Amino acid sequence: QVELVQSGAEVKKPGSSVKVSCKAPGGTFISHAISWVRQAPGQGLEWMGAVIPIFTSTLYAQKFQGRVTIIADDSTTTAYMELSSLTSEDTAVYYCARAPVLCRGGTCHPNHYDLWGQGTRVTVSS
Amino acid sequence: DIQMTQSPSSLSASVGDRVTITCQASQDITKYLNWYQQKPGKAPKLLIYDVSNLARGVPSRFSGSGSGTDFTVTINSLQPEDIGTYYCQQFDDLPQTFGGGTKVEIK
Repeated sequence: QVELVQSGAEVKKPGSSVKVSCKAPGGTFISHAISWVRQAPGQGLEWMGAVIPIFTSTLYAQKFQGRVTIIADDSTTTAYMELSSLTSEDTAVYYCARAPVLCRGGTCHPNHYDLWGQGTRVTVSS
Repeated sequence: DIQMTQSPSSLSASVGDRVTITCQASQDITKYLNWYQQKPGKAPKLLIYDVSNLARGVPSRFSGSGSGTDFTVTINSLQPEDIGTYYCQQFDDLPQTFGGGTKVEIK
């Protein structure tokens, strides 16, 4: 079955870091990007960034720049998202999502998200 | 950042009704617009990509249209399984942004 499988729920203290994994089907990284999208309780969807393994490229939303790191391990077809300096505002469900890559004007971005992970709940609390 | 504004934020309609959700971008995004459906406690699911292309397995009662700054998704005959929250997403520029969502309920 084609799916993205994420790591389990996390409870973290303010100021600490969290690292969430996303195992993708074999071959995903050849033609797809993996993005991370979060959803705070009762809120909408927020794009955090993406990794495009075929181009060894990462893209980050400016809001998270300096605090988020997204990597892809080709050997295990697993993507990781690490978020540091956590505050209560980071309490959310974090999703990974797969997208084909759209290249235009010399830049490449994720296109539409056709496969999503099940979500990882991260709770930041003292 | 490109702001995506959806309306209405929620709606209640009867089974069989035609339902339309709109999404307005704060600047021209040409055709770089997708729609997702999310059910409570579940991950979003791709509904329509590139404005008007139905994702695999999506019933033909769904359709999308628009260009530039104004887009719509229409459910031709609302079914009970269509309840959930619908989000538009632009991928014309970074950061990619989503609309605030439209919650669809059955009357």
